[in-house]
Amino acid sequence: GENVEQHPSTLSVQEGDSAVIKCTYSDSASNYFPWYKQELGKRPQLIIDIRSNVGEKKDQRIAVTLNKTAKHFSLHITETQPEDSAVYFCAASIRGTGNQFYFGTGTSLTVIP
Amino acid sequence: EPEVTQTPSHQVTQMGQEVILRCVPISNHLYFYWYRQILGQKVEFLVSFYNNEISEKSEIFDDQFSVERPDGSNFTLKIRSTKLEDSAMYFCASSHLTSGGVETQYFGPGTRLLVL
Repeated sequence: GENVEQHPSTLSVQEGDSAVIKCTYSDSASNYFPWYKQELGKRPQLIIDIRSNVGEKKDQRIAVTLNKTAKHFSLHITETQPEDSAVYFCAASIRGTGNQFYFGTGTSLTVIP
Repeated sequence: EPEVTQTPSHQVTQMGQEVILRCVPISNHLYFYWYRQILGQKVEFLVSFYNNEISEKSEIFDDQFSVERPDGSNFTLKIRSTKLEDSAMYFCASSHLTSGGVETQYFGPGTRLLVL
């Protein structure tokens, strides 16, 4: 089955700096890669997703890049703010099938004011 | 914006007892899922459900677990005889079907289950 690995497990950045979180996946059939933000005690919230037919997607301060050949994708947050502090999970799935999401182990991001 | 809801938010039970966790998926969604998250660990898939039957399940989802859609709005997860290691946050999720295929999964707020 699919195996998703995520790095780093913890990340601290100064407010205003950029943060990058990286994930790799093993199943070349995976074609859908969402990113979720989970604040303490709350539900995972989708923040951005990317499908395998594109290499990059951007939404304001958040961007995701995908390298299908290398089977890795990354989340980039620019101009970080304290409210960006949360745990971020990447996931991989085969879109269009209703299949399960395979989640990474999470990255705890702390933005220091 | 519609959201997935779950009840109860917290449940404490004795080992060996049965628990039922309830979810109300987003109304026009057709695919339903249960995941669990042990404290400090990643979210793990348990089961997916479509067209009134299980479409996929993980190794975690053994004979102690069952799911049901008893009516047009609820989706339940039952654990027949709880074990200490079942203590976790349980998330329900749902997704809908468009012309482009099944879209992303939207998560409920979770039920924190503590087995004593």
